[in-house]
Amino acid sequence: SQQGEEDPQALSIQEGENATMNCSYKTSINNLQWYRQNSGRGLVHLILIRSNEREKHSGRLRVTLDTSKKSSSLLITASRAADTASYFCATKPGAQKLVFGQGTRLTINP
Amino acid sequence: GAGVSQSPRYKVAKRGQDVALRCDPISGHVSLFWYQQALGQGPEFLTYFQNEAQLDKSGLPSDRFFAERPEGSVSTLKIQRTQQEDSAVYLCASSLVGGGGSYNEQFFGPGTRLTVL
Repeated sequence: SQQGEEDPQALSIQEGENATMNCSYKTSINNLQWYRQNSGRGLVHLILIRSNEREKHSGRLRVTLDTSKKSSSLLITASRAADTASYFCATKPGAQKLVFGQGTRLTINP
Repeated sequence: GAGVSQSPRYKVAKRGQDVALRCDPISGHVSLFWYQQALGQGPEFLTYFQNEAQLDKSGLPSDRFFAERPEGSVSTLKIQRTQQEDSAVYLCASSLVGGGGSYNEQFFGPGTRLTVL
């Protein structure tokens, strides 16, 4: 069973706009990670935020974490066609395995 | 090799056939994971190895699924008597270290897409 729930399930925006995806989870976590998956490059790790962090930036990516609400958001600024992919949040409730959400399918229209 | 590789990339099997999926992790990586990803869903954990030891197989859906990593490097996921519900992408991931660290990045392979007719 999957722990995370992402919303929206699908998002379509124009190139240059910002895209925001949300993730909710159920159990206590040490960290939360975001992954991108497309047919060309498979599943790729984007960014990790630890449970004692509230916000983290990496290039055009901004991740927030609210442990009181058990939720996280991923913001992609100035979107590009190459950002078209599925995005997954993942948590690690124990020491090893990742538990993924169902993902958000993002489409960037030129 | 630069990353995790998996073979075959695509596999079509008739219902009832046995299949074997191979994963070559990044050289030197201690931990190896298998995940199953159904169409339109996120990956779901199947099993985990630390070197040759299978430490967690709680995600294997039935006793038709079997995984091994005999020499602590290459791993094989075997599915016996395949059923249509086994159709999915099977992802392999490896990470450098094992143990209880809170963050050991997992590097994923491209996956094997299994279609059972």
